[in-house]
Amino acid sequence: IAGITQAPTSQILAAGRRMTLRCTQDMRHNAMYWYRQDLGLGLRLIHYSNTAGTTGKGEVPDGYSVSRANTDDFPLTLSSAVPSQTSVYFCASSDGTSGSEQYFGPGTRLTVT
Amino acid sequence: GQNIDQPTEMTATEGAIVQINCTYQTSGFNGLFWYQQHAGEAPTFLSYNVLDGLEEKGRFSSFLSRSKGYSYLLLKELQMKDSASYLCAVRDGDYKLSFGAGTTVTVRA
Repeated sequence: IAGITQAPTSQILAAGRRMTLRCTQDMRHNAMYWYRQDLGLGLRLIHYSNTAGTTGKGEVPDGYSVSRANTDDFPLTLSSAVPSQTSVYFCASSDGTSGSEQYFGPGTRLTVT
Repeated sequence: GQNIDQPTEMTATEGAIVQINCTYQTSGFNGLFWYQQHAGEAPTFLSYNVLDGLEEKGRFSSFLSRSKGYSYLLLKELQMKDSASYLCAVRDGDYKLSFGAGTTVTVRA
């Protein structure tokens, strides 16, 4: 079944550790996105990629990095985790054309202690 | 940037109608989306408006007024399964979405 997968489903991480959240889509979408969702704040864009080989910063990029080596994969790395990065992380993709909606992965629940 | 406002919570009775308002102030506009998100799940697409007017999809309708920076999502014939958060999102010229904080709708029997 086509869609987006994320791994891990949940993770407890010690502060200061490095962590990579994985995201893979099989819809051949050009654009991919990473969001974090916190209670009362809604979804906030961390980084995005309009096509393979390019990335851009969203609203809250500090402490995170991304890469887009191919169309399907868009990993998000926390270089040195801090407790304020405790959140639910959603990856999304779209074909990038006018009117196209974003499809969301199931999310990763991350707790930084 | 984008400033998107929607009510935090709404409660309605099964079979009733609920209207969720969304107002926005944007530096660029390329469409407005509504998403539904059940607790513990990912958001799923409901509707898209880029021109003024009403778009109807079964029990759900969405309205847009670009001059007023205003949209609403109308849920008719409410069912218990409609209890969820409803997210208003505005897309800028770079196809990036900015989301409101979401409106939690509780449907009571």
